[in-house]
Amino acid sequence: QALLQESGPGLVKPSQTLSLTCTVSGSSVASGGYFWAWIRQHPGEGLEWIGYIYYSGTTYYNSSLNRRLTISKDTSKNQFSLELTSVTAADTAVYYCARVRGYTGYDEFDSWGQGILVTVSS
Amino acid sequence: QSVLTQPPSVSGAPGQRVTISCTGSSSNIGAGFDIHWYQQFPGKAPRLLIHHNTKRPSGVSDRFSGSKSGTSASLDITGLQIEDEADYYCQSYDSDLSGSVFGTGTRVTV
Repeated sequence: QALLQESGPGLVKPSQTLSLTCTVSGSSVASGGYFWAWIRQHPGEGLEWIGYIYYSGTTYYNSSLNRRLTISKDTSKNQFSLELTSVTAADTAVYYCARVRGYTGYDEFDSWGQGILVTVSS
Repeated sequence: QSVLTQPPSVSGAPGQRVTISCTGSSSNIGAGFDIHWYQQFPGKAPRLLIHHNTKRPSGVSDRFSGSKSGTSASLDITGLQIEDEADYYCQSYDSDLSGSVFGTGTRVTV
């Protein structure tokens, strides 16, 4: 298993950009066979897949967030990141980073970060 | 946007068996995509419980088992224990949405 740790601001103002980073250890974001994902959970609700990035840099996004979302990676730091623009209160959630095994993106999230609560408020 | 439907809650006495269903459609479970299950305690990250319909990761109790048939899947918990009280989510891939999808989640009460 890999160890993942989210970092970033816990408070973002409406209309601004939410930026989070996931630092990975025990696995490489530059190696094939894994996707690197973001998932969020609104307070008291279920899990929502945000998107993921493959080692090649190819990205796959939830269509409901597509226009506001960018997922990127920094192989030199073994990190991947999420940027969500024009946030509203509806983006308040716990954000998790996770690893997906496999070559297709169809497989399981086998390692998770502890999660970071991001609140959108002025 | 949950396309996988689970019962909101199930309950059972210690030692009993409970089953959590996960109902999908022809674009996810019915299309042959595998089902994975997660356990989540309050305030904690989800933990992988079952992958590829029936497989348990190392360290997961054999009291947890999964199955899949048609457009549905199930998670069985046998010998229910107090520490099994948690939320459980199924997950698969949806070809119409071109991405991963999670179930609505089920709260297990012992």
